Amino acid sequence: SYELTQPPSVSVSPGQTASITCSGDKLGDNYACWYQQKPGQSPVLVIYQDNKRPSGIPERFSGSTSGNTATLTISGTQAMDEADYYCQAWDSSTVVFGGGTKLTVL
Amino acid sequence: QVQLQESGPGLVKPSETLSLTCSVSGASISSYYWSWIRQPAGKGLEWTGRMYIRGSTNYNPSLRSRITMSVDTSKNQFSLKLTSVTAADTAVYYCVRQDSSGYGFDYWGQGILVTVSS
Repeated sequence: SYELTQPPSVSVSPGQTASITCSGDKLGDNYACWYQQKPGQSPVLVIYQDNKRPSGIPERFSGSTSGNTATLTISGTQAMDEADYYCQAWDSSTVVFGGGTKLTVL
Repeated sequence: QVQLQESGPGLVKPSETLSLTCSVSGASISSYYWSWIRQPAGKGLEWTGRMYIRGSTNYNPSLRSRITMSVDTSKNQFSLKLTSVTAADTAVYYCVRQDSSGYGFDYWGQGILVTVSS
């Protein structure tokens, strides 16, 4: 079955840039989405179609893809960005999520 | 403002059927795809399936033999049924809307914890 691979954890200092990767064989042919989930809350869509931001998502969140890897970049990371982040893509008519990355803002 | 609200039993016995309903306000259930996504405690997200008003459904292959989704347009609700549940089905279940781009999920319910236990 199709899998998306994320690093379990990423650490970043406040004000610095955080990058979270998501690798999958078919990512080059399929759009990636990204979700932020804080403890006890429902996930929030922060990036769709590889690099588009929904209304209300700060500009410091951006997405990109290169080959079979999608990357979520948070510029000028703030303490409030500490959360779990999940990538998601479609495989035919089914959905696959990455295992999630815990972003720690030290 | 689009809002989704899950409802249903919080406790289901092993081998029985899990049934959940999602009530949608602020959007017509006839105009989007709707999904259920679950999350076991401390673990990641798992998509269970999606449905569209015109009867189109797609299910996670790992659940296909046990899952059914349906819609009640008169109530603007959609439902999930999962048969023959085990402890592995214990999770927070979210009902979600697939966004108009067709690729992401833009509105989520608050989630409902369903525990499978005797």
